[in-house]
Amino acid sequence: GAVVSQHPSRVICKSGTSVKIECRSLDFQATTMFWYRQFPKQSLMLMATSNEGSKATYEQGVEKDKFLINHASLTLSTLTVTSAHPEDSSFYICSAGVHSGISYEQYFGPGTRLTVT
Amino acid sequence: EDKVVQSPLSLVVHEGDTVTLNCSYEVTNFRSLLWYKQEKKAPTFLFMLTSSGIEKKSGRLSSILDKKELFSILNITATQTGDSAVYLCAVEALGSGGSNYKLTFGKGTLLTVNP
Repeated sequence: GAVVSQHPSRVICKSGTSVKIECRSLDFQATTMFWYRQFPKQSLMLMATSNEGSKATYEQGVEKDKFLINHASLTLSTLTVTSAHPEDSSFYICSAGVHSGISYEQYFGPGTRLTVT
Repeated sequence: EDKVVQSPLSLVVHEGDTVTLNCSYEVTNFRSLLWYKQEKKAPTFLFMLTSSGIEKKSGRLSSILDKKELFSILNITATQTGDSAVYLCAVEALGSGGSNYKLTFGKGTLLTVNP
């Protein structure tokens, strides 16, 4: 089946530093990848949709200069949280979209827990 | 704005009980409704529903969609402690940009199954 990996699984960083999270589709090519954020006891909130080779589409309220997304290849998308603050601490999950006839199926990565101190 | 509402938000049952989880939605350009199970990490896929009235089954889990009334239910029969998780409902619809389909998630139902 389709497998999506994320790295790192857990990261602790200091306020003001930047953190890069990688999302890879291991056994398939994903033209579209999605980045979500999940706060404790909340649902997944879509941050941005990333298409290979083009600029990401950000959801309302998500700062594109703070959350830099690069989707340079069909198997890799990265999310960089720039100048991280404690309020950016969250669980970040990516998913990769695969066309299956009538619809996308989205396969989720295992998530990255970011803690900003 | 697309909206997905799940109920109840939490539920505690005993092993062997049957549970029904609800999901209602308001979206434009609906394509499909999906159910996921989330334990400690990322969600794992359960069902995708695109047509009204057709029940999907997988073991003790089943789900059905009503596109007229805009809701879906997820049933779990003979619950086990391993069913304890957050169950997320998501609706796939065309994004505002018009070129990508995106998922809008509900807040989830936290199911606790006690022995």
